[in-house]
Amino acid sequence: SQQGEEDPQALSIQEGENATMNCSYKTSINNLQWYRQNSGRGLVHLILIRSNEREKHSGRLRVTLDTSKKSSSLLITASRAADTASYFCANNAGNMLTFGGGTRLMVKP
Amino acid sequence: DGGITQSPKYLFRKEGQNVTLSCEQNLNHDAMYWYRQDPGQGLRLIYYSQIVNDFQKGDIAEGYSVSREKKESFPLTVTSAQKNPTAFYLCASSMAREFGYTFGSGTRLTVV
Repeated sequence: SQQGEEDPQALSIQEGENATMNCSYKTSINNLQWYRQNSGRGLVHLILIRSNEREKHSGRLRVTLDTSKKSSSLLITASRAADTASYFCANNAGNMLTFGGGTRLMVKP
Repeated sequence: DGGITQSPKYLFRKEGQNVTLSCEQNLNHDAMYWYRQDPGQGLRLIYYSQIVNDFQKGDIAEGYSVSREKKESFPLTVTSAQKNPTAFYLCASSMAREFGYTFGSGTRLTVV
């Protein structure tokens, strides 16, 4: 399976600003998921968007999906220092997830 | 509390030695997965299992082996055939493909 691409690889912002991360993938998908990983820890599931959905919200998170462009974006609004982590998109095209390389987000207090 | 437990947290392997990483879940999930993560990289799939006594190779299965004798358990053996085993290993489980994965806290394996 092919990994997706995430952009940017690293992002540094001030607390209170919004953070946007983008993800592209290569195959048709059933759904696309976003995960968060704090340094040296396991991944935590944030949000899942199905292939027939275009936008989904969860708290300060907003995810969009454009299947015609094979891309997704994750927006974190009003960021906090505690949002500092790596964020991964993962596409589900069959029986398993294929992960992108991740975006490392740093939120400065 | 339901969850997925990986042990040990840290593991050291000598050259030529096989080691086994444990993964146990009490979430009643059918599917379980093993991923490898190298520093600053994403996750790559090693093996996955959708039901007991059945498992499939992922993208980087060479040098690894698994078993799925019980629904709750999916141990990963890193064999001496894996020439570069130093990495962070993550186990995950899921109810079905329409749901997100639950991850363990990982095992960091180092060759000494």
